[in-house]
Amino acid sequence: GQSLEQPSEVTAVEGAIVQINCTYQTSGFYGLSWYQQHDGGAPTFLSYNALDGLEETGRFSSFLSRSDSYGYLLLQELQMKDSASYFCVCGKGSQGNLIFGKGTKLSVKP
Amino acid sequence: DAGITQSPRYKITETGRQVTLMCHQTWSHSYMFWYRQDLGHGLRLIYYSAAADITDKGEVPDGYVVSRSKTENFPLTLESATRSQTSVYFCASSDPLQGAVYEQYFGPGTRLTVT
Repeated sequence: GQSLEQPSEVTAVEGAIVQINCTYQTSGFYGLSWYQQHDGGAPTFLSYNALDGLEETGRFSSFLSRSDSYGYLLLQELQMKDSASYFCVCGKGSQGNLIFGKGTKLSVKP
Repeated sequence: DAGITQSPRYKITETGRQVTLMCHQTWSHSYMFWYRQDLGHGLRLIYYSAAADITDKGEVPDGYVVSRSKTENFPLTLESATRSQTSVYFCASSDPLQGAVYEQYFGPGTRLTVT
C-alpha cells in the first residue's frame, strides 16, 4: 500500500524557520510534491522533487532523499500568512496519480 | 483568465438523488482530476483523465462516474448520493508539457452535503 507520514501540527513564531518532515511508503514512486492550503481555500502547488536534493523557491525549500524515503519542506522568514496546512504528496507512476498525506497544520504566532 | 472553475460551489441534496458536479478549465490542460477532502483523510483521488475520452480510477472511485467528452470539461456524477459522500470536492488540472504532471492547479471546490 501507500502511506505518507507527516506531523499533524506545528507552531512557530514570525521570522523563524520551520521544517515539516515527510516519510513515505509507496510503490512506483515518481516524486514528492508539496501543496499549501489555507482554511476554506484550495490547495496550491509549492514544489516538486523528482530527484534527490534541495529545490529552492524564494522562502520555501524542499528536499528529497529517495534512499531514505524521506523529504521535508523548509519555510524561512515565517510570516503570518504562512499559517496554513501543508501536504506532502507522492506521485505514483507518471500519470499524475497523487497520494496526499493528511497534512500539517502550521500556526505562525506573532 | 478564468483558470479552473467549479459549479455549484455549494450543494445540498438528499440520499438517493443523482448529483453532477461540474469542472471547467480554460488552459487546455490535458490532465484533469477529481478529489474529495474529508477531515482526517486529507485529499483522496476519485478519478482522473489524461485526455478527452480517457479516464481512470483513483483511490476512492466507488459511487462516482466521470466523463470527458471535451478537454475543458470534466463532470463528476454521484449516481445515488449517500451520506458518506458528504465532502468538499476539488477539481484540478495539469499539463505535463508545461511542467510536471504533479504540478496541479485546483479549482475553488464544491461543498456537498447529503442529507
